[in-house]
Amino acid sequence: SYDLTQPPSVSVSPGQTASITCFGDKLGEKYVCWYLQKPGQSPVLVIYQDTKRPSGIPERFSGSNSGNTATLTISGTQAMDEADYFCQAWDSSTAVFGGGTKLTVL
Amino acid sequence: QVQLQESGPGLVKPSQTLSLTCTVSGDSISSGPYYWSWIRLPAGKGLEWIGRVYPSGNTNYNPSLKSRVTISLDTSKNQFSLKLISVTASDTAVYYCASGGYNYGASMDVWGTGTTVTVSS
Repeated sequence: SYDLTQPPSVSVSPGQTASITCFGDKLGEKYVCWYLQKPGQSPVLVIYQDTKRPSGIPERFSGSNSGNTATLTISGTQAMDEADYFCQAWDSSTAVFGGGTKLTVL
Repeated sequence: QVQLQESGPGLVKPSQTLSLTCTVSGDSISSGPYYWSWIRLPAGKGLEWIGRVYPSGNTNYNPSLKSRVTISLDTSKNQFSLKLISVTASDTAVYYCASGGYNYGASMDVWGTGTTVTVSS
């Protein structure tokens, strides 16, 4: 089976840049999307097809994907960005999620 | 704008069948390039994709759950459903339905609010 690995936690100061990584074998050959999820709420799509932002998602969210690593970058992080973040890719018509990264804004 | 809402029992006994329904509003479940999916979130763990169904009725399942899962459409009610047999405590989770494959590539961009299912005697 295909696995995606994320760091369990990332901390960032308000106004700084947060980077969350997602590692998978030859991940750069697949499209990656990212979801954020706040406690008690449903996941929200923030990046799709590696780099694209859905309507309504702030410009401070950006993504990249190359080699074995995809990265979600949040520039000028705000307190409201504190959430769990999950990467996701498709492998043989099966959706695979990373284990999730808890972003703490200190 | 498509909206999704999960419904079903919140408590299921071990070895029995978990059955959930997702009601779709704002579009027809049998049209378009959408797919309709189920995902779950066990407490303290990450998201786990269960499977999806297309308007044609074709399905894809998570290999780790495939032997126990059925996802199907009910076009007369504009709903799709999840059946998971032989449940155990490890199936306790918040279950979400979601749609994707239309607006934003293959991503799941519309999610229901989620429903909590506990497996316990």
